[in-house]
Amino acid sequence: GESVGLHLPTLSVQEGDNSIINCAYSNSASDYFIWYKQESGKGPQFIIDIRSNMDKRQGQRVTVLLNKTVKHLSLQIAATQPGDSAVYFCAENMDAGGTSYGKLTFGQGTILTVHP
Amino acid sequence: DGGITQSPKYLFRKEGQNVTLSCEQNLNHDAMYWYRQDPGQGLRLIYYSQIVNDFQKGDIAEGYSVSREKKESFPLTVTSAQKNPTAFYLCASSIVKGAGELFFGEGSRLTVL
Repeated sequence: GESVGLHLPTLSVQEGDNSIINCAYSNSASDYFIWYKQESGKGPQFIIDIRSNMDKRQGQRVTVLLNKTVKHLSLQIAATQPGDSAVYFCAENMDAGGTSYGKLTFGQGTILTVHP
Repeated sequence: DGGITQSPKYLFRKEGQNVTLSCEQNLNHDAMYWYRQDPGQGLRLIYYSQIVNDFQKGDIAEGYSVSREKKESFPLTVTSAQKNPTAFYLCASSIVKGAGELFFGEGSRLTVL
């Protein structure tokens, strides 16, 4: 079946650097994508989302880029801080006529480690 | 504060026993979900419910059961038929229409001894 996957399982950066976490998806029908942050032993927290009619969306210190041509999604974190250390998941939602709310398909996750 | 509460946070079970994980939300969300997370892996959908008294199987429903008698509650029972139940279980909720964002609880870690 089609799935969401990540290129890099781990990413280490220095405090203050920019981080880029990548995600490849294979389901061309997916029209909604979300990035979640999960700290150890906790539930995932919403970071940012983007719909397929957009190429870019910015939040506070985070930017999500969507390239539908190559089915690629990325999360950019500016001025990365130690508190950003966590596992980051991308997820896709194939909105099949509006009946698949919340039925997200998650990627494997990328471990981001920020060194002071 | 509004949110999703899962209990217990840690649970140990002997083989052959059924256990029930609790999930309560006060966000007034219609939809609720159970996901399973194994080490180093993404989340996999077990069951979901979009309305009271109705629920649907997810991708890995075998060995699990749920009920949705109240809008606020969506308990998950891990039965003895689940061959590999040790995992981190996450409950989530969302509005039914509109955005697909899920709000997650803090999770329940089940260990089979």
